[in-house]
Amino acid sequence: EDKVVQSPLSLVVHEGDTVTLNCSYEVTNFRSLLWYKQEKKAPTFLFMLTSSGIEKKSGRLSSILDKKELFSILNITATQTGDSAIYLCAASRRGGSEKLVFGKGTKLTVNP
Amino acid sequence: NAGVTQTPKFRVLKTGQSMTLLCAQDMNHEYMYWYRQDPGMGLRLIHYSVGEGTTAKGEVPDGYNVSRLKKQNFLLGLESAAPSQTSVYFCASSYIGGLEAFFGQGTRLTVV
Repeated sequence: EDKVVQSPLSLVVHEGDTVTLNCSYEVTNFRSLLWYKQEKKAPTFLFMLTSSGIEKKSGRLSSILDKKELFSILNITATQTGDSAIYLCAASRRGGSEKLVFGKGTKLTVNP
Repeated sequence: NAGVTQTPKFRVLKTGQSMTLLCAQDMNHEYMYWYRQDPGMGLRLIHYSVGEGTTAKGEVPDGYNVSRLKKQNFLLGLESAAPSQTSVYFCASSYIGGLEAFFGQGTRLTVV
């Protein structure tokens, strides 16, 4: 059974801190690893990773995938209160049922 | 651009009542999904569709039915609502399965 595990489940930091969120996966015929940010309502897309070792960056956020060790990390530097959200990790497989399997999410709270 | 639109946004049902949630997307996406989100559980896939006229079961399909008569619409039905179906329901769509999915704003359903 496909599985995605995120850690920690919750995290409280102060503005300006750097955080690292973890995502490990066990997916048959792995295709891609995706990160989403969920504030009040719908999850919004952050990154999609398909190749090992290639960092993707968007402003203060970055992410990297390790296909040998089956995990990904999401880094947020110089955190701001607007980064407070649930961060969701999802993995997909090739062929057949190409659906996303989500982890339970990491709830990040950034205090002023 | 509307993207993915869900109706209704909120609903309260009595146990045993039926209802249909509507998801509409205007991005010409082939893949559509219904997820439910419960506290601490992440997003769990109910049913999905890989194209017009197709449907398939996800992780938690019991008590739900779906239909995809038109490419742009994906309906989720509850024939006899139960309190365990109290949740936030998200619809999503993607051009190709396993890649970036776009989410609707969610439907908060309470079954009393």
